[in-house]
Amino acid sequence: DGGITQSPKYLFRKEGQNVTLSCEQNLNHDAMYWYRQDPGQGLRLIYYSQIVNDFQKGDIAEGYSVSREKKESFPLTVTSAQKNPTAFYLCASSIRGGDNSPLHFGNGTRLTVT
Amino acid sequence: GQNIDQPTEMTATEGAIVQINCTYQTSGFNGLFWYQQHAGEAPTFLSYNVLDGLEEKGRFSSFLSRSKGYSYLLLKELQMKDSASYLCAVRDTNAGNMLTFGGGTRLMVKP
Repeated sequence: DGGITQSPKYLFRKEGQNVTLSCEQNLNHDAMYWYRQDPGQGLRLIYYSQIVNDFQKGDIAEGYSVSREKKESFPLTVTSAQKNPTAFYLCASSIRGGDNSPLHFGNGTRLTVT
Repeated sequence: GQNIDQPTEMTATEGAIVQINCTYQTSGFNGLFWYQQHAGEAPTFLSYNVLDGLEEKGRFSSFLSRSKGYSYLLLKELQMKDSASYLCAVRDTNAGNMLTFGGGTRLMVKP
């Protein structure tokens, strides 16, 4: 079955440490996205990539970094510069970027930084 | 920026009909999506509207009025498993044609 896999489901880190969240898709989708979800708030776009080796900042990119070396993979690094990293992180993909194809989401990673 | 408003919470009874509203403000509207999200899980795609009118898909329907900046999701014959958050998202050419999400409406279905 095709889908998007995020790992791990729960992640705990100490303040000041960088942490990388994994996202892999086998849907052969060109576009991939990272969103952050906080309680009572909508999903906010962190970074997106419409093609391999290219990515753009979303609305809240500060303190995050990404790479897109392979079509299937779009890891997100939460750096120590991110002031409020504790959140639920969702990775998504779509056939192409910016058209009417719906987003397919992974099951999310809940990151807790103490 | 984009303003997308949805009610925070709604409660309805099993077997009933519920309408979840979404209003938006943008000069770059290019489509509206509805997603369902159960607690702690991935959002799943429900419907897409880009032209005015009603899109029906089984028990779920979605309506769009572009002139009013308004959409609603209609859920019929409610089931307990419909208890979830419902997210409205607008594709905006002013935001690189990316999706902007509303805060979501948490629906509780009671017996």
